[in-house]
Amino acid sequence: QVQLQESGPGLVKPSETLSLTCAVSGSSINGYFWSWVRQPPGKGLEWIGRIHYRGDTKYNPSLKSRVVISIDMSKNQLSLKLTSVTAADTAVYYCAREHTSSSGDWFDPWGQGTLVTVSS
Amino acid sequence: DVLMIQSPPSLSASVGDRVTITCRASEFISTFVNWYQQRLGQAPKLLIYGASTLQSGVPSRFSANRSGTDFTLTISGLQPEDFATYYCQQTYSNPFTFGPGTKVDFK
Repeated sequence: QVQLQESGPGLVKPSETLSLTCAVSGSSINGYFWSWVRQPPGKGLEWIGRIHYRGDTKYNPSLKSRVVISIDMSKNQLSLKLTSVTAADTAVYYCAREHTSSSGDWFDPWGQGTLVTVSS
Repeated sequence: DVLMIQSPPSLSASVGDRVTITCRASEFISTFVNWYQQRLGQAPKLLIYGASTLQSGVPSRFSANRSGTDFTLTISGLQPEDFATYYCQQTYSNPFTFGPGTKVDFK
């Protein structure tokens, strides 16, 4: 059974860098795209970006200047870095495995999510 | 960005009811639409992908279809565990975008 587990600091100061990791078990990172999605408290879902196991990335243009997603094949995990954070970046952050086909891409499974609060 | 206009924002229903949620895309997105269920305090769960394909393990009371840029999710015979928020998602173009969600609660 594939499981994803996000981890990282739950509190980040404004202007600093948010750093999260997503540990993947039950599946190799090989062969898939992996995405990050976030959800501010009480609000909807926002796609942050994706990475292919070979390292190709695609980011949401609204966040592109501040986001880096990377993969560590040796640890079977992916990482998210978001720089210059503000209170607007307070959210639950999810990682998800992405499936691709001729009829679209979809996310399954998702990690349980980790809440990151930006506050001084 | 592709805008996913989801309606209604919320609805009240009873166990056994038939419920329909709609997403209209602001432009052509082929069949690149997925539906997710999110229970309170949990991560989203994939229900439908490719506009109409039921994810393995998802009950058959969930169905979905497409008509042009209109996409619908139907729950035929609402069960207690179905009270949740439902999101549509398009993965046709970058950035992938979600609808604002439909909260289904008890009447």
